[in-house]
Amino acid sequence: SQKIEQNSEALNIQEGKTATLTCNYTNYSPAYLQWYRQDPGRGPVFLLLIRENEKEKRKERLKVTFDTTLKQSLFHITASQPADSATYLCALTGGGNKLTFGTGTQLKVEL
Amino acid sequence: GAVVSQHPSWVICKSGTSVKIECRSLDFQATTMFWYRQFPKQSLMLMATSNEGSKATYEQGVEKDKFLINHASLTLSTLTVTSAHPEDSSFYICSAEESGTNTDTQYFGPGTRLTVL
Repeated sequence: SQKIEQNSEALNIQEGKTATLTCNYTNYSPAYLQWYRQDPGRGPVFLLLIRENEKEKRKERLKVTFDTTLKQSLFHITASQPADSATYLCALTGGGNKLTFGTGTQLKVEL
Repeated sequence: GAVVSQHPSWVICKSGTSVKIECRSLDFQATTMFWYRQFPKQSLMLMATSNEGSKATYEQGVEKDKFLINHASLTLSTLTVTSAHPEDSSFYICSAEESGTNTDTQYFGPGTRLTVL
């Protein structure tokens, strides 16, 4: 069966450190993978999209990698700040434009 | 940037009543909009794909007669929860794809919290 797995446990890191979140998937061959940020009681906010032929993508302090052999994407936030605390969701498409979301990883950046 | 709004942001209703939720793309046109449901501590689950001018496509297990979707214009889709029951209490979120672009990006609304008493 198809699965998208993210660390269900919260990730606590110190301000200034790099946060690394993992997204693993099985039985998908996604054309692209996306990362979203979701704050409590709010809709997801799009962060980055990476396509199957791209290994890495960057946007300011964010970096995403996509390994289609390992079926894994890593999401990095460098120089993390308390304002980065949120739940981060990965999402991918199994075909067409329908997105399937992982369960998300809650990130807490502490002072 | 592309902005999607939802109305209302929260609603409380009695069991058996119907509730309509609106999703609007404010600064772009959206041929396709999506409706998701999110229960506490769970991820977003796609309910249906809403296409302007045609019938919505529902995901397996989602009752189309209970969750009525209308996408009458390129900037508005509505979801009506008919005869709502407490188990329908959830966070409903819509998203929209900008027409005519190939960005594969969905822009999400802020969500609507539905509580059925």
